[in-house]
Amino acid sequence: EAGVAQSPRYKIIEKRQSVAFWCNPISGHATLYWYQQILGQGPKLLIQFQNNGVVDDSQLPKDRFSAERLKGVDSTLKIQPAKLEDSAVYLCASSFSADSSYEQYFGPGTRLTVT
Amino acid sequence: AQKVTQAQTEISVVEKEDVTLDCVYETRDTTYYLFWYKQPPSGELVFLIRRNSFDEQNEISGRYSWNFQKSTSSFNFTITASQVVDSAVYFCALSEGTNAGKSTFGDGTTLTVKP
Repeated sequence: EAGVAQSPRYKIIEKRQSVAFWCNPISGHATLYWYQQILGQGPKLLIQFQNNGVVDDSQLPKDRFSAERLKGVDSTLKIQPAKLEDSAVYLCASSFSADSSYEQYFGPGTRLTVT
Repeated sequence: AQKVTQAQTEISVVEKEDVTLDCVYETRDTTYYLFWYKQPPSGELVFLIRRNSFDEQNEISGRYSWNFQKSTSSFNFTITASQVVDSAVYFCALSEGTNAGKSTFGDGTTLTVKP
């Protein structure tokens, strides 16, 4: 079974530029998560989708971050404009459903460096 | 609010030593799930184990074992006879039953196993 796919793996941009990350979850997984992982810290949830609806985006900085999952499958996370403090690894994860008992499967992440 | 604390930031052991990674959690829910994930240098978090709040049985899987104690709100992870391949960052995570799959992660413990 194919895992969670993410691209690109690495991205370097200057502050105030925009960037987009793509994620394709495991086939059949209804729930998709985007996390931000700053060096030395655990993943912090940015947004959670159930199919193509948002379940939780309470920690998403909505003035600069946006995410969509239009057809309930793959998803895009965008940052516009980027700030230095956005430098982090952005992880996408999926699970079979939004039930808290299900484990999450993670992609390899996108390492973003903002200069 | 849910919270996970991994007090050990870094642990270094010599191969074949046993090592225990600590995890303490906070939650007001009576139904919740605890997870351990491994993040090797490649970056992709890998699910190791799940425990629900009603099952305090300890679990052993090969060299890995987990000790869940509700009385001390702890879910500790022991690796017996550690190997170099166990070197990774290990994360403990908590999902409350009422929170639709949202997981809170600790900041991780970096384990280095030296040959």
